[in-house]
Amino acid sequence: AQSVAQPEDQVNVAEGNPLTVKCTYSVSGNPYLFWYVQYPNRGLQFLLKYITGDNLVKGSYGFEAEFNKSQTSFHLKKPSALVSDSALYFCAVRDISNFGNEKLTFGTGTRLTIIP
Amino acid sequence: KAGVTQTPRYLIKTRGQQVTLSCSPISGHRSVSWYQQTPGQGLQFLFEYFSETQRNKGNFPGRFSGRQFSNSRSEMNVSTLELGDSALYLCASSFPRGDPSGANVLTFGAGSRLTVL
Repeated sequence: AQSVAQPEDQVNVAEGNPLTVKCTYSVSGNPYLFWYVQYPNRGLQFLLKYITGDNLVKGSYGFEAEFNKSQTSFHLKKPSALVSDSALYFCAVRDISNFGNEKLTFGTGTRLTIIP
Repeated sequence: KAGVTQTPRYLIKTRGQQVTLSCSPISGHRSVSWYQQTPGQGLQFLFEYFSETQRNKGNFPGRFSGRQFSNSRSEMNVSTLELGDSALYLCASSFPRGDPSGANVLTFGAGSRLTVL
């Protein structure tokens, strides 16, 4: 079984400061990892993904994430936070040993609030 | 390029009724997945369809069903509604796994918010 943990329900960061949203995962095989963002009354929007290769992945809106296999983590980061980054962030994992299985398992979400 | 379209966006039903939600995927996408989002349970996988066949199913009762049509449009149905079925139902589309670009990215619609009274 695959699972994702987002240990922080809420993260508050001052505008201009760096931000980190934490994510750890558990899969039996090799993972595909994703970050999505959700704004109020909207669906989820894709930010970035890790498949293979460089452990540092760059995505939309200046976000990046670092894959750490030994710590089974995939933390989302941004060097300088904007008020517009305030939203609900979801980490997700897919176990690629499940051939043809498009199922993503999501974490419980982290609400990021950027304080002006 | 049009995104994933879900209808209706909002609806209110009473216990015992049934509801049908519709999802039109991005043109060319052949896989459609459905998720239920609630404050208490987060995002829960319902089912996934590819080429009119259900490929995977989450842990939901048989009251929840779906189907996919030859044009890839999908519907999900919930019968005998319960208060706990109140949720945001999200549809997402993607290419089949044979996509040479690698892991498929799900593109989500804005969701259908169901309230059961």
